[in-house]
Amino acid sequence: KQEVTQIPAALSVPEGENLVLNCSFTDSAIYNLQWFRQDPGKGLTSLLLIQSSQREQTSGRLNASLDKSSGRSTLYIAASQPGDSATYLCAVELQFGAGTQVVVTP
Amino acid sequence: NAGVTQTPKFQVLKTGQSMTLQCAQDMNHNSMYWYRQDPGMGLRLIYYSASEGTTDKGEVPNGYNVSRLNKREFSLRLESAAPSQTSVYFCASSEALHPYEQYFGPGTRLTVT
Repeated sequence: KQEVTQIPAALSVPEGENLVLNCSFTDSAIYNLQWFRQDPGKGLTSLLLIQSSQREQTSGRLNASLDKSSGRSTLYIAASQPGDSATYLCAVELQFGAGTQVVVTP
Repeated sequence: NAGVTQTPKFQVLKTGQSMTLQCAQDMNHNSMYWYRQDPGMGLRLIYYSASEGTTDKGEVPNGYNVSRLNKREFSLRLESAAPSQTSVYFCASSEALHPYEQYFGPGTRLTVT
C-alpha cells in the first residue's frame, strides 16, 4: 500500500524567504503526483500536477519536482508572501499526505 | 462554471440517523471520489467511481454506501451514523482515473452526536 509522508507538519518563515515543502512516498510505480493548497475551513485547490514521465512542473512562483527513484517530490514557493499561509497537501494518485501547515510572517 | 458542488454544507445528526451527501460536477468528468478529512490527517478515500455505472471501495468504506446516479452525480449515504463519522467530507472528480488532475468540492462538515 502506498504511504505518503509530509515533513515537517508545520513551518513558519518570514516574508520573502523561499519555501521548500517535502513529500515522500513508498512505492515508486506511480501515475502522477498532485500538490494542493487548503485554506482553513475550505476545500482543496489544485496547484500543480506532475505526470509520472515528468521531472518538474512550474506555475508562476511555484515549482514542483519529482524523483520517482528516491520516492520524493518537492514544492518550491519563491519569495513567500503572507497570502501563501495555508496547509499544503501532496497526493500520489488517491493517497494523501497529512499536509504541511505554513505560516508566512510579515 | 460551478465545478464540483456539494450539499449540504453543514449537518448535525444524532447517532443512528441516516443521511445522504450529494455531489455533482459539470465538467463532464468520468471519475468521481468521496474522501473524509479528520483533524491533523490528510484525506482518506472512502469510495470512488472510475466511470458511470461502477463503484469501488477505498481505504475506509465501512459504514458508507455510494450511488453513481449518472455521469454528473455521485452520492454518499450514511445508513446509521456513528460519532466516529464526524468529519469533513469532500467530493472530487477527474477526467479519468489516472493520471488526471482531481478537482474538489467545498466540503460538507458533518457532526454526529
